[in-house]
Amino acid sequence: GENVEQHPSTLSVQEGDSAVIKCTYSDSASNYFPWYKQELGKRPQLIIDIRSNVGEKKDQRIAVTLNKTAKHFSLHITETQPEDSAVYFCAAVIAGNMLTFGGGTRLMVKP
Amino acid sequence: DARVTQTPRHKVTEMGQEVTMRCQPILGHNTVFWYRQTMMQGLELLAYFRNRAPLDDSGMPKDRFSAEMPDATLATLKIQPSEPRDSAVYFCASGPGTGNTIYFGEGSWLTVV
Repeated sequence: GENVEQHPSTLSVQEGDSAVIKCTYSDSASNYFPWYKQELGKRPQLIIDIRSNVGEKKDQRIAVTLNKTAKHFSLHITETQPEDSAVYFCAAVIAGNMLTFGGGTRLMVKP
Repeated sequence: DARVTQTPRHKVTEMGQEVTMRCQPILGHNTVFWYRQTMMQGLELLAYFRNRAPLDDSGMPKDRFSAEMPDATLATLKIQPSEPRDSAVYFCASGPGTGNTIYFGEGSWLTVV
């Protein structure tokens, strides 16, 4: 089955700096990669996703890049704000199968 | 705004009692998942249904946990008997089909004392 590894497990940045979270996956058949943000005491919510026919996708201050050859994808948050503090989960999906989640990254943005 | 609905939102129970958590997936979604999360750790998959059929429950302790979908609008997760180590947040999620994203409910916060 698919295996997703996520790094780092914790990340602390100063407000205004950029944050990068990286994930690797094992099955080259994976073709869909969503990212979820979970604030304290809340449910995970989808913030951005990318499909395997696209190399990069942006939505305001967040972007996701995908390298199919290396089987890794990354979340980039620019101009971080305190409200970006949360746990972020990456996931990989093989067509016809379910999501496999990474272990999560706890992002702390210090004012 | 379609949402996954979970009940109860919070439950405190004594060790040994039966606990049943319920989930109403988003109308039209045919995949349903149960996840467990402790202390803001990772998401542990307990059960996965597609078109109401269980496809993967390998992550679920079979001796005390059971998951069912009596119909397309209801999924249940039952713990009998409950133990203190079962204290966690249990999330239900649904999706429109495999190969797509899934949407989480608000979670059922379970405390077993």
